[in-house]
Amino acid sequence: GQQVMQIPQYQHVQEGEDFTTYCNSSTTLSNIQWYKQRPGGHPVFLIQLVKSGEVKKQKRLTFQFGEAKKNSSLHITATQTTDVGTYFCAGIGGTSYGKLTFGQGTILTVHP
Amino acid sequence: GAGVSQSPSNKVTEKGKDVELRCDPISGHTALYWYRQSLGQGLEFLIYFQGNSAPDKSGLPSDRFSAERTGGSVSTLTIQRTQQEDSAVYLCASSFPGAAQPQHFGDGTRLSIL
Repeated sequence: GQQVMQIPQYQHVQEGEDFTTYCNSSTTLSNIQWYKQRPGGHPVFLIQLVKSGEVKKQKRLTFQFGEAKKNSSLHITATQTTDVGTYFCAGIGGTSYGKLTFGQGTILTVHP
Repeated sequence: GAGVSQSPSNKVTEKGKDVELRCDPISGHTALYWYRQSLGQGLEFLIYFQGNSAPDKSGLPSDRFSAERTGGSVSTLTIQRTQQEDSAVYLCASSFPGAAQPQHFGDGTRLSIL
């Protein structure tokens, strides 16, 4: 079945440093979504990428979808303590209509 | 408006007991999902309901797990003869129909099996 791998599993940064998490799928994806889960909270939708090579920005966050639609990345510029949490990518493949396959998530810790 | 509501928020029970977890989705959301999240881990898909279609049960880990959705709205996840490895946070999410719709999650039920 479809697998979505996410690295790194953990990332510790100093406030102000940049952070990137990578997502790789074993199959071509039709869409990829990114979610953020604050400690003790539930996942919250951030963004969706659909097109090959697509790049979207939300303030300090930059999301990319690979040309082959099998990988994606989330980059945060100049991290802040409010960025702490777990970032999940979730992909929808050709045979899993409506069912997202979540990556294991990257746990981000930001030291002030 | 109201978000996805789950109850109870916490459940502690003895091994071997049955438990029922409830999810009330956002009004108008025809898609409903159940996930399981162990401490510090990712989201494990359990089951997916879409309108009146047969549910996708491919993620249920054993026949002790079942779920139903009545009237296309409220859903109940039932775990029979609970085991300690069932301890986790059970998250429910709902969305409008379609693969491209964002999922809206509830706060989850934290299940602890003694």
